[in-house]
Parts: sequence; C-alpha cells; structure tokens
Amino acid sequence: GESVGLHLPTLSVQEGDNSIINCAYSNSASDYFIWYKQESGKGPQFIIDIRSNMDKRQGQRVTVLLNKTVKHLSLQIAATQPGDSAVYFCAETPQAGTALIFGKGTTLSVSS
Amino acid sequence: DTGVSQDPRHKITKRGQNVTFRCDPISEHNRLYWYRQTLGQGPEFLTYFQNEAQLEKSRLLSDRFSAERPKGSFSTLEIQRTEQGDSAMYLCASSSPDRAGGYTFGSGTRLTVV
Repeated sequence: GESVGLHLPTLSVQEGDNSIINCAYSNSASDYFIWYKQESGKGPQFIIDIRSNMDKRQGQRVTVLLNKTVKHLSLQIAATQPGDSAVYFCAETPQAGTALIFGKGTTLSVSS
Repeated sequence: DTGVSQDPRHKITKRGQNVTFRCDPISEHNRLYWYRQTLGQGPEFLTYFQNEAQLEKSRLLSDRFSAERPKGSFSTLEIQRTEQGDSAMYLCASSSPDRAGGYTFGSGTRLTVV
C-alpha cells in the first residue's frame, strides 16, 4: 500500500542550529500533511499542517514546505533547543478527518 | 479543554485474556480514532468514528479487535484472546471538522501481553 516515509532515522544538531527534517510521500491524492512531535511515553503532539494547495506555511519557529512535484515534505525548526529533542513524524491524509498515514519517524537529538 | 484521556495508561495481561481500553475525546470533537504503535514505528491506523458511527476499519483490525462509541462520546477498544503480538501502545485521537488535520492524541495505553 501507499505510505509516507522519512529520509533519515536520526538527526543530531547543536543547540541554536536550524534543523531540517525531510519526508517523502507516495500518494499524490493526499490533501493534508501534518507534522507531529512525539516525546518518550507521550502521544504525538501536533506541530503544523499544510494543505496540498499551499507550498509553505510558517508557525512559531517552524516552517513546513511542500513540494508536490517531487512529493516531498520538510519541517524546518529554527534555533533548535534541547526541548525539541523528540521523534518527529510526518503524516498524510487524502481527506481531512479520515485516517492519517504515518511514516517511521526521525529522532532529533539536540546537544547543548 | 482537558485533552484526550486514555485509561489505563499501562496494562499487563496474560496471553489469551481479554482487555478493554477507554478513550475520552475532547468534548466538542465528533471524530475519534484508534491507532496502534509499536516501538520505533509510526502509529498505524485501526479505526475511526464520526459520532457513534464507525466509518472505517483497517485490515489490521482482526476479528479479535472491536471498538465501540455507543453515545458518540467516549470509546472503548476491546481485544479478545490477546496474543504477544498485540503488545503495543494503543493511541486514541479526536478531531473536529473545522480543524482539518489537527488530530489531538492522547498519551496512549501501553499493553504488554506476557
């Protein structure tokens, strides 16, 4: 079946650096893309989403970029902090409110 | 808004026993979802409800699994005759139609089958 996947299982950065986490998706019919952060022992926490009719969306210290031509999604975190250390998942859904399809995740480690 | 609540947080059961988990969604959310997550993997979709109607079930949801949302509020997920392969984190999420993509997850129920 179709699924969403992440390019790198781990990413290590220094505090204050910018982080970029990448994701490739295969379902061209997907309409919504969401980034989640998951800390150990907790459920996924919504970070930011983007619709297929957009190519960029910004939040607080985070930016999501969507390239539909190559089916690529990325999450940029500015001035990465130790509290950003977690597993990051991208997820897609062909229709808002229906089942999310998650990738395998990227573990972000931020060192001081 | 107290978030999505799941109970219990942890459950250890012997193989062959039945277990039931409960999820209380955010009160104004009409959609409720169940996911399963194993170590190192992303959450896998199991099923979802809109109000009390179960609209979709994954092929992962074997006959031993059943979910209900009788009054369109809380939901239960029951696993009958548990197997060691059922050991996982079971996550519940809820959403509302006007917040597309913004599914709010609970902290999950960690099931260990011994």
